[in-house]
Amino acid sequence: DAKTTQPDSMESTEGETVHLPCSHATISGNEYIYWYRQVPLQGPEYVTHGLQQNTTNSMAFLAIASDRKSSTLILPHVSLRDAAVYHCILRVFCLQQGTGSKLSFGKGAKLTVSP
Amino acid sequence: NAGVIQTPRHKVTGKGQEATLWCEPISGHSAVFWYRQTIVQGLEFLTYFRNQAPIDDSGMPKERFSAQMPNQSHSTLKIQSTQPQDSAVYLCASSLDSWGGYAEQFFGPGTRLTVL
Repeated sequence: DAKTTQPDSMESTEGETVHLPCSHATISGNEYIYWYRQVPLQGPEYVTHGLQQNTTNSMAFLAIASDRKSSTLILPHVSLRDAAVYHCILRVFCLQQGTGSKLSFGKGAKLTVSP
Repeated sequence: NAGVIQTPRHKVTGKGQEATLWCEPISGHSAVFWYRQTIVQGLEFLTYFRNQAPIDDSGMPKERFSAQMPNQSHSTLKIQSTQPQDSAVYLCASSLDSWGGYAEQFFGPGTRLTVL
């Protein structure tokens, strides 16, 4: 899977809307953009994913550039519970048994939320 | 739903000892994954079972590491002759189905293994 680039850290204040950027300049046409987050002493948690269109769910809004070379995870009205390391990764899906299931993360972006 | 359960949460072993880690997937989930996570390497895939059958163990170190899933309610990861470089958080995840890799994985809290 292609590589992604994220800032090492970002700071915010409760109630703000946070924009977490991710660069994936070499993304392939069959790669989905996935976001996970992880707090200390817990396993990763799925946040959202998308292919080409912007997506939204109860946790976040994912904005994907028209050329798909970058994306932004938008967290509205963050709270202290949103403080975590956020991972942006690319995943390929195909019909081969088991292919595309494996996850791998790098360091991610640490989001700090202040009261 | 208790989520994925992993035991123990922490394990300390001496160099050369054996460590067995346990995972209870979410009831009804047919796919079980094992990963390990370190600050340096990040999250690394180890192995994957589907309907208890081993599907992909490409991430498992060829020696000393083995994984089993004797029934649908639990899986074990065994590390023989543990070495300091095996120190990591070992994460288990399960999903409804992983054919084509579409189903989302739900992670347990992990087992922190420390090898002295």
